[in-house]
Amino acid sequence: DTGVSQNPRHKITKRGQNVTFRCDPISEHNRLYWYRQTLGQGPEFLTYFQNEAQLEKSRLLSDRFSAERPKGSFSTLEIQRTEQGDSAMYLCASDIEAGVQGYTFGSGTRLTVV
Amino acid sequence: GENVEQHPSTLSVQEGDSAVIKCTYSDSASNYFPWYKQELGKRPQLIIDIRSNVGEKKDQRIAVTLNKTAKHFSLHITETQPEDSAVYFCAASTGTGRRALTFGSGTRLQVQP
Repeated sequence: DTGVSQNPRHKITKRGQNVTFRCDPISEHNRLYWYRQTLGQGPEFLTYFQNEAQLEKSRLLSDRFSAERPKGSFSTLEIQRTEQGDSAMYLCASDIEAGVQGYTFGSGTRLTVV
Repeated sequence: GENVEQHPSTLSVQEGDSAVIKCTYSDSASNYFPWYKQELGKRPQLIIDIRSNVGEKKDQRIAVTLNKTAKHFSLHITETQPEDSAVYFCAASTGTGRRALTFGSGTRLQVQP
């Protein structure tokens, strides 16, 4: 297990198209987080799963965004009807409840909407 | 909700000098404060963290201090090296466990050789 894996690394899409990103957390981590980072800014929280349950969603997560973690392992983040403002780095992170280590982030998926 | 402010936005020091980055938070219920280092094009990496029941924590050349009364915490890097050059983010979390983090806007640290 080499850490948190995200695919694809880069995605270019036309405005209005749907995109889906995948995150594979560290295998023993039961908590998974999605963040969005734009250039020059800190990551912004989007949503969080504990096992398969989505426990928290940010107001940033509009109706066009949906995330799933069906079996408590990998997660997907889908953006429908993409807009130019959705262009950003989408970061996934994982950790273990009651663990002593902080998040481990993945390398992210860079989305460009043209 | 939580608001985290970070200063300065850029910091340039000479190799061997110390660097200090400061953050303030708004939610007095926040109880976990990590610091992340992000090199250009790479993932944020946790470098040190502190919980609200501790006032200071040190790990080699890096230390973090927390003042709960004033709601601010700081990152101290001593004997800076060129490889310390990166963007540093502070963050705060509210509630049991770590759950959602609110990040500061980042400090770009440049260590001049």
